[in-house]
Amino acid sequence: AQKITQTQPGMFVQEKEAVTLDCTYDTSDPSYGLFWYKQPSSGEMIFLIYQGSYDQQNATEGRYSLNFQKARKSANLVISASQLGDSAMYFCAMNTGFQKLVFGTGTRLLVSP
Amino acid sequence: DARVTQTPRHKVTEMGQEVTMRCQPILGHNTVFWYRQTMMQGLELLAYFRNRAPLDDSGMPKDRFSAEMPDATLATLKIQPSEPRDSAVYFCASGLGVTGTTYTDTQYFGPGTRLTVL
Repeated sequence: AQKITQTQPGMFVQEKEAVTLDCTYDTSDPSYGLFWYKQPSSGEMIFLIYQGSYDQQNATEGRYSLNFQKARKSANLVISASQLGDSAMYFCAMNTGFQKLVFGTGTRLLVSP
Repeated sequence: DARVTQTPRHKVTEMGQEVTMRCQPILGHNTVFWYRQTMMQGLELLAYFRNRAPLDDSGMPKDRFSAEMPDATLATLKIQPSEPRDSAVYFCASGLGVTGTTYTDTQYFGPGTRLTVL
Protein backbone atom coordinates (compact mmCIF):
# COMPACT_ATOMS: atom_id res chain seq x y z
CA ALA A 1 0.00 0.00 0.00
CA GLN A 2 1.11 3.53 -0.70
CA LYS A 3 1.66 5.86 2.20
CA ILE A 4 2.87 9.41 2.74
CA THR A 5 4.20 10.52 6.11
CA GLN A 6 4.63 14.11 7.20
CA THR A 7 5.99 14.11 10.73
CA GLN A 8 5.98 17.86 11.35
CA PRO A 9 2.53 19.07 12.38
CA GLY A 10 3.81 22.66 12.54
CA MET A 11 6.86 24.62 11.54
CA PHE A 12 7.92 28.17 12.29
CA VAL A 13 10.30 30.25 10.21
CA GLN A 14 11.28 33.88 10.07
CA GLU A 15 10.74 35.90 6.96
CA LYS A 16 13.56 35.61 4.41
CA GLU A 17 14.89 32.39 5.92
CA ALA A 18 14.77 28.99 4.24
CA VAL A 19 12.64 26.16 5.60
CA THR A 20 12.47 22.43 4.88
CA LEU A 21 9.23 20.51 5.16
CA ASP A 22 9.70 16.77 5.51
CA CYS A 23 7.95 14.05 3.55
CA THR A 24 8.66 10.34 3.44
CA TYR A 25 6.82 7.87 1.29
CA ASP A 26 6.32 4.17 1.03
CA THR A 27 5.58 2.28 -2.15
CA SER A 28 6.73 -0.87 -3.88
CA ASP A 29 6.00 0.58 -7.31
CA PRO A 30 9.13 1.63 -9.25
CA SER A 31 7.21 4.37 -11.06
CA TYR A 32 5.62 7.16 -9.09
CA GLY A 33 5.20 10.88 -8.92
CA LEU A 34 5.57 13.06 -5.87
CA PHE A 35 3.70 16.34 -5.51
CA TRP A 36 3.52 19.20 -3.08
CA TYR A 37 0.43 21.32 -2.61
CA LYS A 38 -0.13 24.47 -0.59
CA GLN A 39 -3.42 25.15 1.16
CA PRO A 40 -3.70 28.71 2.49
CA SER A 41 -6.36 29.72 4.98
CA SER A 42 -8.71 30.49 2.09
CA GLY A 43 -8.90 26.75 1.53
CA GLU A 44 -7.87 26.17 -2.07
CA MET A 45 -5.25 23.55 -2.95
CA ILE A 46 -2.44 25.04 -4.98
CA PHE A 47 -0.02 22.83 -6.90
CA LEU A 48 3.59 23.75 -6.17
CA ILE A 49 6.03 21.21 -7.55
CA TYR A 50 6.36 17.72 -9.02
CA GLN A 51 9.13 15.10 -8.95
CA GLY A 52 9.08 11.86 -10.92
CA SER A 53 10.70 8.71 -9.61
CA TYR A 54 12.99 8.49 -12.62
CA ASP A 55 14.01 12.13 -12.63
CA GLN A 56 17.74 12.45 -12.12
CA GLN A 57 17.67 16.02 -10.93
CA ASN A 58 15.77 17.61 -8.09
CA ALA A 59 12.78 19.63 -9.23
CA THR A 60 12.78 23.39 -8.77
CA GLU A 61 10.04 25.97 -9.27
CA GLY A 62 11.04 29.48 -8.32
CA ARG A 63 11.58 29.55 -4.55
CA TYR A 64 10.46 25.95 -4.21
CA SER A 65 12.75 22.98 -4.61
CA LEU A 66 12.25 19.34 -3.89
CA ASN A 67 15.05 17.47 -2.16
CA PHE A 68 14.50 14.00 -3.58
CA GLN A 69 16.41 11.16 -1.92
CA LYS A 70 15.17 7.99 -3.53
CA ALA A 71 17.11 5.55 -1.37
CA ARG A 72 15.69 7.15 1.76
CA LYS A 73 12.24 7.49 0.18
CA SER A 74 12.11 11.11 1.09
CA ALA A 75 10.85 14.11 -0.87
CA ASN A 76 11.34 17.19 1.27
CA LEU A 77 10.12 20.58 0.15
CA VAL A 78 12.55 23.46 0.55
CA ILE A 79 11.22 27.00 0.48
CA SER A 80 13.93 29.59 0.14
CA ALA A 81 13.58 33.20 1.29
CA SER A 82 10.28 32.65 3.10
CA GLN A 83 7.57 35.27 2.71
CA LEU A 84 4.60 36.05 4.93
CA GLY A 85 2.35 34.73 2.17
CA ASP A 86 3.95 31.30 2.53
CA SER A 87 2.06 30.75 5.78
CA ALA A 88 -0.25 27.84 4.96
CA MET A 89 -0.74 24.08 5.20
CA TYR A 90 1.54 22.08 2.94
CA PHE A 91 0.64 18.62 1.73
CA CYS A 92 2.92 16.03 0.20
CA ALA A 93 1.21 13.55 -2.14
CA MET A 94 2.11 10.54 -4.25
CA ASN A 95 0.66 9.06 -7.42
CA THR A 96 1.71 5.55 -8.37
CA GLY A 97 0.08 5.38 -11.75
CA PHE A 98 -3.50 4.62 -10.93
CA GLN A 99 -4.13 8.36 -10.84
CA LYS A 100 -5.00 8.24 -7.20
CA LEU A 101 -3.22 10.87 -5.18
CA VAL A 102 -2.41 9.71 -1.68
CA PHE A 103 -1.89 12.64 0.66
CA GLY A 104 0.03 13.10 3.88
CA THR A 105 -1.51 14.74 6.91
CA GLY A 106 0.10 18.07 6.16
CA THR A 107 2.46 20.53 7.85
CA ARG A 108 1.31 23.94 8.95
CA LEU A 109 3.94 26.57 8.22
CA LEU A 110 3.90 29.91 9.96
CA VAL A 111 6.18 32.65 8.69
CA SER A 112 6.85 35.44 11.16
CA PRO A 113 8.05 38.97 10.35
CA ASP B 1 -5.65 31.68 -16.43
CA ALA B 2 -7.32 28.26 -16.63
CA ARG B 3 -8.89 27.09 -13.37
CA VAL B 4 -11.21 24.46 -12.06
CA THR B 5 -14.45 26.04 -10.90
CA GLN B 6 -16.85 24.67 -8.32
CA THR B 7 -20.32 25.69 -7.24
CA PRO B 8 -21.62 26.37 -4.72
CA ARG B 9 -18.69 27.50 -2.59
CA HIS B 10 -20.69 27.06 0.58
CA LYS B 11 -23.77 25.01 1.31
CA VAL B 12 -25.70 24.62 4.53
CA THR B 13 -28.50 22.09 4.49
CA GLU B 14 -30.55 19.97 6.81
CA MET B 15 -30.16 16.27 7.31
CA GLY B 16 -32.10 14.28 4.74
CA GLN B 17 -31.91 16.91 2.00
CA GLU B 18 -30.33 16.32 -1.40
CA VAL B 19 -27.09 18.15 -2.12
CA THR B 20 -25.63 18.66 -5.58
CA MET B 21 -22.14 20.00 -6.12
CA ARG B 22 -20.90 21.00 -9.56
CA CYS B 23 -17.47 21.22 -11.08
CA GLN B 24 -16.17 22.59 -14.35
CA PRO B 25 -12.77 21.07 -15.13
CA ILE B 26 -10.05 22.93 -16.99
CA LEU B 27 -10.75 22.93 -20.71
CA GLY B 28 -8.87 20.11 -22.38
CA HIS B 29 -8.43 18.05 -19.22
CA ASN B 30 -9.88 14.58 -19.52
CA THR B 31 -9.55 13.33 -15.95
CA VAL B 32 -11.74 14.59 -13.12
CA PHE B 33 -11.46 13.73 -9.45
CA TRP B 34 -13.66 14.27 -6.41
CA TYR B 35 -11.97 14.52 -3.00
CA ARG B 36 -13.33 15.10 0.46
CA GLN B 37 -11.37 16.83 3.21
CA THR B 38 -12.16 16.54 6.90
CA MET B 39 -10.11 17.21 9.98
CA MET B 40 -10.32 13.57 11.04
CA GLN B 41 -9.68 11.81 7.73
CA GLY B 42 -7.69 14.38 5.82
CA LEU B 43 -8.00 14.27 2.02
CA GLU B 44 -9.77 11.23 0.61
CA LEU B 45 -10.44 10.35 -3.00
CA LEU B 46 -14.12 9.67 -3.58
CA ALA B 47 -14.26 9.04 -7.32
CA TYR B 48 -12.59 9.81 -10.59
CA PHE B 49 -13.40 9.90 -14.27
CA ARG B 50 -11.41 9.61 -17.44
CA ASN B 51 -12.96 10.82 -20.67
CA ARG B 52 -16.23 11.13 -18.74
CA ALA B 53 -16.25 7.43 -17.83
CA PRO B 54 -16.12 6.55 -14.13
CA LEU B 55 -12.94 4.62 -13.40
CA ASP B 56 -13.06 4.27 -9.66
CA ASP B 57 -15.66 5.25 -7.11
CA SER B 58 -14.58 2.85 -4.39
CA GLY B 59 -14.04 5.72 -1.96
CA MET B 60 -17.65 6.79 -2.13
CA PRO B 61 -20.48 5.61 0.12
CA LYS B 62 -22.55 3.94 -2.58
CA ASP B 63 -25.91 4.15 -0.91
CA ARG B 64 -26.06 7.92 -0.76
CA PHE B 65 -23.39 9.36 -3.04
CA SER B 66 -23.35 9.47 -6.81
CA ALA B 67 -20.98 11.10 -9.26
CA GLU B 68 -21.55 11.79 -12.93
CA MET B 69 -20.12 13.67 -15.89
CA PRO B 70 -23.03 14.66 -18.12
CA ASP B 71 -20.56 16.28 -20.51
CA ALA B 72 -16.88 17.15 -20.72
CA THR B 73 -17.41 20.53 -19.05
CA LEU B 74 -19.48 19.41 -16.07
CA ALA B 75 -19.01 16.94 -13.25
CA THR B 76 -21.53 16.53 -10.47
CA LEU B 77 -21.44 14.98 -7.03
CA LYS B 78 -24.77 14.28 -5.35
CA ILE B 79 -25.56 13.25 -1.83
CA GLN B 80 -29.05 11.94 -1.14
CA PRO B 81 -30.01 11.88 1.66
CA SER B 82 -27.37 14.00 3.35
CA GLU B 83 -26.22 13.29 6.89
CA PRO B 84 -24.27 15.40 9.42
CA ARG B 85 -21.21 13.17 8.93
CA ASP B 86 -21.07 14.34 5.31
CA SER B 87 -20.04 17.80 6.51
CA ALA B 88 -16.68 18.47 4.87
CA VAL B 89 -14.97 20.38 2.10
CA TYR B 90 -15.44 18.70 -1.26
CA PHE B 91 -12.79 19.34 -3.88
CA CYS B 92 -12.91 18.71 -7.56
CA ALA B 93 -9.63 18.38 -9.44
CA SER B 94 -8.79 17.85 -13.08
CA GLY B 95 -5.76 16.62 -14.98
CA LEU B 96 -4.61 16.25 -18.55
CA GLY B 97 -4.83 12.49 -18.25
CA VAL B 98 -1.45 11.69 -19.72
CA THR B 99 -1.55 8.22 -21.17
CA GLY B 100 1.20 5.73 -20.47
CA THR B 101 2.81 7.57 -17.61
CA THR B 102 -0.20 8.45 -15.56
CA TYR B 103 1.81 8.91 -12.41
CA THR B 104 3.19 12.13 -13.84
CA ASP B 105 -0.24 13.69 -14.26
CA THR B 106 -0.62 16.84 -12.16
CA GLN B 107 -4.04 17.39 -10.67
CA TYR B 108 -5.32 20.95 -10.39
CA PHE B 109 -7.84 21.61 -7.69
CA GLY B 110 -10.90 23.80 -7.60
CA PRO B 111 -11.66 26.09 -4.64
CA GLY B 112 -13.85 23.50 -2.95
CA THR B 113 -17.43 23.37 -1.68
CA ARG B 114 -17.76 23.66 2.07
CA LEU B 115 -20.77 21.55 3.03
CA THR B 116 -22.46 21.74 6.41
CA VAL B 117 -25.27 19.31 7.16
CA LEU B 118 -27.27 20.20 10.25
